Amino acid sequence: DGGITQSPKYLFRKEGQNVTLSCEQNLNHDAMYWYRQDPGQGLRLIYYSQIVNDFQKGDIAEGYSVSREKKESFPLTVTSAQKNPTAFYLCASSIPAGDGTEAFFGQGTRLTVV
Amino acid sequence: AQKVTQAQTEISVVEKEDVTLDCVYETRDTTYYLFWYKQPPSGELVFLIRRNSFDEQNEISGRYSWNFQKSTSSFNFTITASQVVDSAVYFCALSEAGSPGAGSYQLTFGKGTKLSVIP
Repeated sequence: DGGITQSPKYLFRKEGQNVTLSCEQNLNHDAMYWYRQDPGQGLRLIYYSQIVNDFQKGDIAEGYSVSREKKESFPLTVTSAQKNPTAFYLCASSIPAGDGTEAFFGQGTRLTVV
Repeated sequence: AQKVTQAQTEISVVEKEDVTLDCVYETRDTTYYLFWYKQPPSGELVFLIRRNSFDEQNEISGRYSWNFQKSTSSFNFTITASQVVDSAVYFCALSEAGSPGAGSYQLTFGKGTKLSVIP
């Protein structure tokens, strides 16, 4: 079955550590996205990538980094510079055509700082 | 800048009641796309519908219907005869068309409306 796989589902991080969230898709989509969800805040865009080896900052990129070495993979690193990383992180992908095709989402990773 | 407002933070209804979720948007583009997503407790966002700015026809899909009105910049979602399985957070989202490669396809989400259907 085609879809988006995020791992792990739950992640605990000690303060000062970097952690990497995995996102893999087998939908052959060119575009991939990372969103952060906080209670009552909706979803906010962290980074997006329209094509391999290229990515752009979203609205809240500070303290995060990404890479796009393969079309199928778009990992997100939460660095120690991110002051409040506890949140629910969602990865998505889409065909970046001009007709507003819908984005497909993974099941999310819940990150908690301990 | 684009913006999506979902004024209803939480709604509770009794099973079999009808319920309407409101969505108001702001954009300067003449070409844009509106979406509704459902987020059940499992966390994954499930796509429900897409509507482009040139198509103001209302749409019905089973118990779900959507009312798009450009005059009021609204894209409301109605669930008829609600069921417990409809309990979820519902997000309205907007995407501006932009130009190819310009990176304008990312979605701007509202803050969501949490719907609780009580048996």
